[in-house]
Amino acid sequence: DSGVTQTPKHLITATGQRVTLRCSPRSGDLSVYWYQQSLDQGLQFLIQYYNGEERAKGNILERFSAQQFPDLHSELNLSSLELGDSALYFCASSVGAGASYEQYFGPGTRLTVT
Amino acid sequence: AQSVTQLDSQVPVFEEAPVELRCNYSSSVSVYLFWYVQYPNQGLQLLLKYLSGSTLVKGINGFEAEFNKSQTSFHLRKPSVHISDTAEYFCAVSFYGDDKIIFGKGTRLHILP
Repeated sequence: DSGVTQTPKHLITATGQRVTLRCSPRSGDLSVYWYQQSLDQGLQFLIQYYNGEERAKGNILERFSAQQFPDLHSELNLSSLELGDSALYFCASSVGAGASYEQYFGPGTRLTVT
Repeated sequence: AQSVTQLDSQVPVFEEAPVELRCNYSSSVSVYLFWYVQYPNQGLQLLLKYLSGSTLVKGINGFEAEFNKSQTSFHLRKPSVHISDTAEYFCAVSFYGDDKIIFGKGTRLHILP
């Protein structure tokens, strides 16, 4: 158990819908990262927050957005969902902002868009 | 362009035999290098990382990796694998001054009895 929690574990929704994925980082960690894992794209970095502020952005679509709240939990919002958005979404956390800090991964949320 | 390549998508190996999982990266700047493991139906876990210093890095579960700057490689090795090592292994790289980590496509390690 990494100490990072993600909810829900599974999510099935229809095209065009909007969903919110939630992540609670390890106690004391200030950074939260979001990743998307799919068979064709592999593991892709989406976005990073550090202490409430956006820190780095990766291959995140404009239909996706995220935020980190004052209690440090984070939410990833996915809208106008398409079949291709079906994937495993991971959250990770670390104590600091740089890549040298170990990232601890949650168990993931499996999103299925039908 | 900066990238990371795992040359083998799958590697079968007999139990108690040695294994090497290959990773190469492309970068014009200094890098941090990582190996992560993903067991079935779980998130990723850090095996080891290279930040600076000694080029031979030891990690958890008996794994080690060697940073070779001239060959831009960071291959993962274990002298004797066990059935519990069945998992997918990801090489990852981060470039100095950039917080992002770029992951390779992964190598699935199959342990044969």
